Amino acid sequence: KAGVTQTPRYLIKTRGQQVTLSCSPISGHRSVSWYQQTPGQGLQFLFEYFSETQRNKGNFPGRFSGRQFSNSRSEMNVSTLELGDSALYLCASSIREANTGELFFGEGSRLTVL
Amino acid sequence: GENVEQHPSTLSVQEGDSAVIKCTYSDSASNYFPWYKQELGKGPQLIIDIRSNVGEKKDQRIAVTLNKTAKHFSLHITETQPEDSAVYFCAANGGGNKLTFGGGTRVLVKP
Repeated sequence: KAGVTQTPRYLIKTRGQQVTLSCSPISGHRSVSWYQQTPGQGLQFLFEYFSETQRNKGNFPGRFSGRQFSNSRSEMNVSTLELGDSALYLCASSIREANTGELFFGEGSRLTVL
Repeated sequence: GENVEQHPSTLSVQEGDSAVIKCTYSDSASNYFPWYKQELGKGPQLIIDIRSNVGEKKDQRIAVTLNKTAKHFSLHITETQPEDSAVYFCAANGGGNKLTFGGGTRVLVKP
């Protein structure tokens, strides 16, 4: 059974650009959550999608957005990149809603903003 | 919302010794408490979890205890091995449809 797949794994952008990250959940999983991981702030929740609906959103500015498609694949977008957006962005899928069961994480997309 | 605090932030143990990581949470409505292990360059991996109707759960060398009254839960690793070296995160599911994670504990097992 394939795990959670995130693309791209590494990317470098400059300030002001925008970026789109992709996540393919485990087959059959309907929940996809996104987290930002930095050395200073740890794992911070961005948002969760369940059956194409955003169920919850973390405390991030509107520059961070996401969506989920009918096949449960998800994308997140960050517009007008800032240096502080450099981080590892992790996607996690769950067969149930994220707060009730096991999350399976991908390897992450490491974003560097110059 | 939920707040999860985790201690210690770093832990160094001799191979074969035990390691204990403690977490406290704030939302009394939380009822699911997973623990994740993250190795360098990888995403977090679930190693054990516990639900509020259980006080203790064990899986080989790993055990988790939960005290709902005090709102704290702990991870115990016995007979530590070098491959246990990693960053460990606790989490709780209070505060809506999400998991709130602790700050992480970097565990180093010295051979």
